[in-house]
Amino acid sequence: DTAVSQTPKYLVTQMGNDKSIKCEQNLGHDTMYWYKQDSKKFLKIMFSYNNKELIINETVPNRFSPKSPDKAHLNLHINSLELGDSAVYFCASSRGQERGNTQYFGPGTRLTVL
Amino acid sequence: AQSVAQPEDQVNVAEGNPLTVKCTYSVSGNPYLFWYVQYPNRGLQFLLKYITGDNLVKGSYGFEAEFNKSQTSFHLKKPSALVSDSALYFCAVRDLISSGSARQLTFGSGTQLTVLP
Repeated sequence: DTAVSQTPKYLVTQMGNDKSIKCEQNLGHDTMYWYKQDSKKFLKIMFSYNNKELIINETVPNRFSPKSPDKAHLNLHINSLELGDSAVYFCASSRGQERGNTQYFGPGTRLTVL
Repeated sequence: AQSVAQPEDQVNVAEGNPLTVKCTYSVSGNPYLFWYVQYPNRGLQFLLKYITGDNLVKGSYGFEAEFNKSQTSFHLKKPSALVSDSALYFCAVRDLISSGSARQLTFGSGTQLTVLP
């Protein structure tokens, strides 16, 4: 059973388009995250939701908008895509905000903007 | 702000030999440290973590890590490397974000491990 799943796995699109990535977790966790991995494999937090409430919003352009319809889902919508948005986006989840809680990651969505 | 450093971009080791992937950290207070592995075109998989207690932490796939407070290190180790261990390894620390309102994982830059047959 897939714990954290993302769709689509690959996304190729033109500059200026709007696209969404979906994430679902079946672990019963109440905290979810979006990370961006750039071409040098560097991982950086973008957003985090706890019980559907936004708790982390790092320095990400306003073109990126996360939405959490319920605790098991966290979607990422990107407007007016730019070349620099090309990256791998990972969703993750954890049980709450305690420091020792492990984050479990999805398989990633490779976004390519042409 | 918390940070972790992985001083080696690449580590090569022969199959059957012991391997070490290095990580040093900088945090205020007690560190909560994690190791993840990323296989090609895959997501990150959790290997192990240090919260408190024994300095030697055992994890998945025969990996272990040694927490050393005086050297602020958390090196990943395995007694006998396998070719299938070849992957990208990330060290991470969990701590408060700058506003203090939530916790995040801050990752190191990653170390590519190649195990040669």
